[in-house]
Amino acid sequence: DIQMTQSPSSLSASVGDRVTITCQASQDISNHLNWFQQMPGKAPKLLIYDASNLERGVPSRFSGSGSGTDFTFTISSLQPADFATYYCQQSHNLPPATFGRGTKVEIK
Amino acid sequence: QLQLQESGSGLVKASQTLSLTCTVSSGSFSSGGYSWNWIRQPPGKGLEWIGYIFRGGNTNYNPSLRSRVTISVDRSKNQFSLKLTSVTAADTAFYYCARGDGYNRATFDYWGQGTLVTVSS
Repeated sequence: DIQMTQSPSSLSASVGDRVTITCQASQDISNHLNWFQQMPGKAPKLLIYDASNLERGVPSRFSGSGSGTDFTFTISSLQPADFATYYCQQSHNLPPATFGRGTKVEIK
Repeated sequence: QLQLQESGSGLVKASQTLSLTCTVSSGSFSSGGYSWNWIRQPPGKGLEWIGYIFRGGNTNYNPSLRSRVTISVDRSKNQFSLKLTSVTAADTAFYYCARGDGYNRATFDYWGQGTLVTVSS
């Protein structure tokens, strides 16, 4: 299985802050890396696919970059609606598809 | 707008079989080219991919669950289903169905709202 190491596991930030989350794969996954946002009590929502492509309808303050084993997810200016848990997920090598353990973004 | 809806028993006794169904609202189910996935999340924990099925019936399962999992499809009803046998408390989780697109059909772009299944002793 490909292991996805996501960090940090949690962070505190203020509205307007720039937030960065990293995800490292245990082997080369090319650009086959997706990012999800999960609000409490809700299903995950796809934000970024193939490392850097913004899903339709997702605000442009969200972005992703990286390839190979190292990936970054950025919120350029944190908004109140962005306080949630974020997950990375690799689609390169199945089975299984694997997720990072999540990053909870909390209000400072 | 594609919608997915999970249904099934929310309470299962240990050692018995968990059964869930996902109903897909729109024509993308019949058009092919997508995988139809089950993903679960124990309360307060992370996400685990269970497996997927294509409309034609081909499946792919998480090796950690393969011996206990069956995913099937009913094309006439736009539904796919999950059966998980010999459940234990460790199988207590929110279960989501999701559509898979993109590379390896493993980019999960549409999700159901999820359903909590509790395994009781």
